[in-house]
Amino acid sequence: KQEVTQIPAALSVPEGENLVLNCSFTDSAIYNLQWFRQDPGKGLTSLLLIQSSQREQTSGRLNASLDKSSGRSTLYIAASQPGDSATYLCASQRGNTPLVFGKGTRLSVIA
Amino acid sequence: DVKVTQSSRYLVKRTGEKVFLECVQDMDHENMFWYRQDPGLGLRLIYFSYDVKMKEKGDIPEGYSVSREKKERFSLILESASTNQTSMYLCASTRGGPYEQYFGPGTRLTVT
Repeated sequence: KQEVTQIPAALSVPEGENLVLNCSFTDSAIYNLQWFRQDPGKGLTSLLLIQSSQREQTSGRLNASLDKSSGRSTLYIAASQPGDSATYLCASQRGNTPLVFGKGTRLSVIA
Repeated sequence: DVKVTQSSRYLVKRTGEKVFLECVQDMDHENMFWYRQDPGLGLRLIYFSYDVKMKEKGDIPEGYSVSREKKERFSLILESASTNQTSMYLCASTRGGPYEQYFGPGTRLTVT
């Protein structure tokens, strides 16, 4: 059964720093990898979706990469801002099956 | 923009009540999902549906049932609410296949 792990569980950085969030998964036969953001008490907002044939996706200051062979994905956030403070979750999918989620990394960007 | 709406943001119910949580999506998505989210446990899948009148059990279906009579609407039913069902409930939808999944704003349910 697919397992998705996100380490660390929490991260605190000063404003302006570039940072990387990590996501690892046990089954490399995935179809896609999706990154979400969740603000406290809210639903999840989709940030980036990487299909298995792709190696990375970019949106603004966010860049997500996928390395299926090593079972890893990273979310790179450039020039972090206090508004980036949130919990970031990754999830993998195999075929038309439900997403398997990590437990998330809680990010605090300190002004 | 894809929109997934949930009937209530906050809900307070008493033990033993029957509770209905409604979810509606406006993008003609085939697949719909119900999750609950608790601190330290992450997101856990309760039920999902790949088509009208179809349903599949997720990881924690006990104490819940679902209904999908129309493609756009997926309802979660707590037959007899218990205090251990106090949680954040999240609905999501996606096209059939490996596509982007969209979430609703969540319903914070408290059972007293």
